[in-house]
Parts: sequence; structure tokens; C-alpha cells
Amino acid sequence: QPVVTQSSSASASLRSSVKLTCTLSSGHSSYIIAWHQQQPGKAPRYLMKLEGSGSYDKGSGVPDRFSGSSSGADRYLTVSNLQSEDEADYYCETWDSNTRVFGGGTRLTVL
Amino acid sequence: EVQLAESGGGVVRPGGSLRLSCAASGFTFDDYGMSWVRQAPGKGLEWVSDINWNGGNIGYADSVKGRFTISRDNAKNSLYLQMNSLRAEDTALYHCARSAGYSNNWNLDYWGQGTLVTVSS
Repeated sequence: QPVVTQSSSASASLRSSVKLTCTLSSGHSSYIIAWHQQQPGKAPRYLMKLEGSGSYDKGSGVPDRFSGSSSGADRYLTVSNLQSEDEADYYCETWDSNTRVFGGGTRLTVL
Repeated sequence: EVQLAESGGGVVRPGGSLRLSCAASGFTFDDYGMSWVRQAPGKGLEWVSDINWNGGNIGYADSVKGRFTISRDNAKNSLYLQMNSLRAEDTALYHCARSAGYSNNWNLDYWGQGTLVTVSS
């Protein structure tokens, strides 16, 4: 089954940009992933589905500041013009037949 | 508006049982697969179980296989998780989530707020 790996933390300044990475395990580099955001004390929120081609499809109401891209086994989430409300945990998700996997999450701090 | 509302959490002793429910609204329930995902205090998301639109295809994490049973009642727009032989490590906030499609081979696209399960003597 696939494994997805994320850095545990990231930080960037207000109004700057940050790029978070989710890396798929060997043999699973073509898999589609999804990004989810979890603000402190809240339920997760779906941000986007991201394919290996770099094509992405965002959830309802997700701001234009959020975008996705891909390179090989890496899937990226870029947040531009960082706002204070972007401070959250970000999880990537992938799936296979009857299995679903989450990365450990990246805690994003907005300085 | 898609809404998912979990209930049934509580405090239970090790070895005990609990049944979680998730009431869905705002979409055609039997057009979508559903999932349970849990989050231990201060930890990340952990997938628990998936069920497709008609209950004909089900998956479980190894950590709960043989102890938990997922089911759904499409007439009642409801998802369930029967949890038996509970252990301390099952303590978590349990989220109900919707799959973006009818099967389990889609991402999750809506989440409930969760219901807290605490296993403690």
C-alpha cells in the first residue's frame, strides 16, 4: 500500500508564500493525492485533489491563494499571500483499493 | 449545504463497546462512499474504515480489523461504526467524512466535527 511523507513543520511570513511537500512512496509516484487543512480546534477541510500531471481541482470556496503542483513522486501545496488564518495543520491523503492513507501532517506557522 | 453530524461518543472501559452514528444531509447519501477517520489527542489523522455507496465494498485499517464494523442505512441517510473490544489506543476524536464519489477510490471532500471516544478504566 502507498505511504505519504510530509515535513512536520514549516513557517513563513505574513503575505509571503510557502510550498508544502507530500512525497509518495516508491512504486506509487503516479498516485493522486488530496490536501486537507485543519485549523486549530476545527474539523479538517478539503482543499484540493492533485494529480501527478500537476492538474488540480479545488474544493468549494477554497481561495485562489491555494494552488497545487507535482514533480515525480512529490505533490506540492503552495499558499500565496499568507494570511493569519492559514496557520494550520495540512494533511495529504491518498488511497488504493480499500485502503486510505494520510501523511503525518505539516504544521504551518505564519510569522 | 453538505452536513455530517456524528454522535455516540463517550467514555467506555477497556474491552467495552460503543456505536457511533453519522447523520448526513444536504446531498444524495446513496450516491457517495463514506469513511471514518480518527484523530488521537494531539496527533494526526488516521483512517479507520471505508464503505462504498451500497455497502458492498468495505475496508478497514489493520489496527481495527476484526473489532470494528462499518455499516450504513441509506434510507436513514446514516453511517455507523460499531466498535467492540475497545482499547486505550482507540481513544480519539472520530470524524465521519464523505468520499467524492460512489466508491472508496476517491478522496474525501467533506468532514464532520467529530465525536470523542475515550477508553479508560
